[in-house]
Amino acid sequence: DAKTTQPNSMESNEEEPVHLPCNHSTISGTDYIHWYRQLPSQGPEYVIHGLTSNVNNRMASLAIAEDRKSSTLILHRATLRDAAVYYCILRVACNAGNNRKLIWGLGTSLAVNP
Amino acid sequence: NAGVTQTPKFQVLKTGQSMTLQCAQDMNHNSMYWYRQDPGMGLRLIYYSASEGTTDKGEVPNGYNVSRLNKREFSLRLESAAPSQTSVYFCASMGGRDREYEQYFGPGTRLTVT
Repeated sequence: DAKTTQPNSMESNEEEPVHLPCNHSTISGTDYIHWYRQLPSQGPEYVIHGLTSNVNNRMASLAIAEDRKSSTLILHRATLRDAAVYYCILRVACNAGNNRKLIWGLGTSLAVNP
Repeated sequence: NAGVTQTPKFQVLKTGQSMTLQCAQDMNHNSMYWYRQDPGMGLRLIYYSASEGTTDKGEVPNGYNVSRLNKREFSLRLESAAPSQTSVYFCASMGGRDREYEQYFGPGTRLTVT
């Protein structure tokens, strides 16, 4: 299975932008790139996803490299509530049909300083 | 709309004991998943069910069994618990009509096997 590589930890200051990198050099043409985050003692929650083009939503932006071997999650203005583990994940095809599953990496622990 | 619910929230077992973790979702999702998360690690897929009546193995299925009881419920059974199964277990569902790409997670079950 394709996998992702992320920095173990990053630090940011409140109100500043944060760029969280992810490498996925073995990604295949049909794998989607997903980002989830996990706050302490909670289940993960969806942040954003994309295939080839850059994506924006109310939580974040996702910048995908032209060769799709890397991507960057951008939080435009970090808040204290954004302190979490951010997972870069590939959504890959399952054995049959249109079913897909998520392949999780180890994540980046983001600390936000006031 | 409760989302994904899991019971119990906490459990302590002795080696060799059995138990069933329960999961239910009220979002009419087709797919359901069981993950485990060990300290400092990402999530690893144990089993998944792409639709009612089907189940498939994930990355780490040994020592577990699952039942997709109906569209709402997906249970995980440990027949003979081992200390290596001490972990946090998350159930997730996916397949909403307008957000078919997003997995929704339950709050987790913290299991300790002594």
